[in-house]
Amino acid sequence: GQNIDQPTEMTATEGAIVQINCTYQTSGFNGLFWYQQHAGEAPTFLSYNVLDGLEEKGRFSSFLSRSKGYSYLLLKELQMKDSASYLCASMDSNYQLIWGAGTKLIIKP
Amino acid sequence: GAVVSQHPSWVICKSGTSVKIECRSLDFQATTMFWYRQFPKQSLMLMATSNEGSKATYEQGVEKDKFLINHASLTLSTLTVTSAHPEDSSFYICSAPQGDVHNEQFFGPGTRLTVL
Repeated sequence: GQNIDQPTEMTATEGAIVQINCTYQTSGFNGLFWYQQHAGEAPTFLSYNVLDGLEEKGRFSSFLSRSKGYSYLLLKELQMKDSASYLCASMDSNYQLIWGAGTKLIIKP
Repeated sequence: GAVVSQHPSWVICKSGTSVKIECRSLDFQATTMFWYRQFPKQSLMLMATSNEGSKATYEQGVEKDKFLINHASLTLSTLTVTSAHPEDSSFYICSAPQGDVHNEQFFGPGTRLTVL
């Protein structure tokens, strides 16, 4: 079956670094997406990885290991506005996104 | 990035009535749009794939006669919840890929439906 696993909730301190892990098992693979979703709002795109390695985009970086079925989202210099849910999604062979349940990130001052 | 709008943002209706939700791609054409439903503290659940000029593809367990989808043009898809019941209360979100389906999906702001 298809499955995406990520932690339910994480807590971090303002200014610190946090890594949110995601493991996936999908029928085929056409890329791994990370989205940010604030409460009551729709998701917004953060990153897309289809090749192994680290993609850096400002304070956010995303890593992919296809052989391990593993990705992580790294957030640096955390700000209070980063408090949100972070959704991991894998695109399968039919180009359909399979979504994780999301990781709620709580930032403390 | 591309912009997707949804209307209405929120709606409250009585049980048994029908509700129409519109999803528009404002600055690009979308031959495919996706409709999701999200219950509180849960992940996005794909309901159906809307295809311009042809029938929508529904996910297993989603009643196509209850959730009517019409993709009338390259910029508009509508979802009609027919004979809504309280258990249909949820956050409905549409998304559209710009161009190739490999690309990131652009999400609408969502529609919060409350059925009394």
